[in-house]
Amino acid sequence: NAGVTQTPKFQVLKTGQSMTLQCAQDMNHEYMSWYRQDPGMGLRLIHYSVGAGITDQGEVPNGYNVSRSTTEDFPLRLLSAAPSQTSVYFCASSYQGGRNEKLFFGSGTQLSVL
Amino acid sequence: AQTVTQSQPEMSVQEAETVTLSCTYDTSESDYYLFWYKQPPSRQMILVIRQEAYKQQNATENRFSVNFQKAAKSFSLKISDSQLGDAAMYFCAYRDRDDKIIFGKGTRLHILP
Repeated sequence: NAGVTQTPKFQVLKTGQSMTLQCAQDMNHEYMSWYRQDPGMGLRLIHYSVGAGITDQGEVPNGYNVSRSTTEDFPLRLLSAAPSQTSVYFCASSYQGGRNEKLFFGSGTQLSVL
Repeated sequence: AQTVTQSQPEMSVQEAETVTLSCTYDTSESDYYLFWYKQPPSRQMILVIRQEAYKQQNATENRFSVNFQKAAKSFSLKISDSQLGDAAMYFCAYRDRDDKIIFGKGTRLHILP
């Protein structure tokens, strides 16, 4: 099983460029989310989704857009990259049967914005 | 908004000893879920243990146990018989009724041989 797949694993952008971080899961999980991890800041929730067609903002949504057109995919879009968005990004998913379900994480995307 | 606080950025423990990592959270809700995740240098996130707020009994998973104090909004993780493989970042997480999952800033645990 592939689990949660994030692409790319590494990316370097110039300030002002746009890009999409891809996240796909093959476990039929309704719940998907995006986090960014910065040194000393832990994981901060960017956006999350409890099912196709439903998205909601997390703790740090500014500068990021998401959509959830299918159960499997939850892309994260940076419309105009800024150096403050340099971070490691994690996508995570879980079964929505109960709120004690664990999160399955992707392997992360290391993003540098110059 | 809910917040999760891990007051110990780093801790060290001797191999085979016991260590407790602290976590406090702020919420006005009565129904929520708490988790501890481990992140080794591989960056992989691994669930260690979970606790439902409505359960009074503290969760245990082998050498890992929690001390859940709902009134104090405290959720500490105890690791018994520490092993070298326990060295990692440990994150406390809170899931609210709207399914927002918030993490603390983490505690880096060092195991001394």
